[in-house]
Amino acid sequence: EIVLTQSPGTLSLSPGERATLSCRASQSISSSYLAWYQQKLGQAPRLLIYGASSRATGIPDRFSGSGSGTDFTLTISRLEPEDFAVYFCQQYGSSPFTFGPGTKVDVK
Amino acid sequence: EVQLVESGGGLVKPGGSLRLSCAASGFTFSTHSMNWVRQAPGKGLEWVSSIRSGSSYIYYADSVKGRFTISRDNAKNSLYLQMNSLRAEDTAVYYCTRAAANDYWGQGILVTVSS
Repeated sequence: EIVLTQSPGTLSLSPGERATLSCRASQSISSSYLAWYQQKLGQAPRLLIYGASSRATGIPDRFSGSGSGTDFTLTISRLEPEDFAVYFCQQYGSSPFTFGPGTKVDVK
Repeated sequence: EVQLVESGGGLVKPGGSLRLSCAASGFTFSTHSMNWVRQAPGKGLEWVSSIRSGSSYIYYADSVKGRFTISRDNAKNSLYLQMNSLRAEDTAVYYCTRAAANDYWGQGILVTVSS
């Protein structure tokens, strides 16, 4: 089973700042089958990034994903008020298709 | 517009059974793999099960293997999750999602296992 570790657990930033979130895998993820999701309180998660670096439909270009192998990063270039949420990574390259524990981005 | 609507949740006693359904619309259901993902209250996301478009490949998390069965009816554009031998730790919001990368999610349905 591939275990995903996300850091930091909480990121306290101000609107307009840059957010850098990390997702590290216990073994290499095949074909960069790594996705990022955003979840706001009381809502279903929303896909942001798939294939490690491809933005999903309708996702603003301030969101970007990078990385390969075992190290992946989600970057939000300039935080908007609506970006304060919890972010999860998930690998879907090999079963079980595990999620990371999440990073909460909150207002400083 | 892609829509996924879950139903069938509710309160059930430990050891009981429930069948979740997910009605899909707005896309060609038969050509997409589908998944169930759950989230216990106040916790993170847990992948539960996946089924390929033609039901040729099915996968389960170890936590539900032998108790849950995923299935689909492409003629009815529907996904199902039969949940047997339910435990307190199965209490969660269950989401129906589309495709390997979970590009669309339903609103979720709450399953509570309690005596």
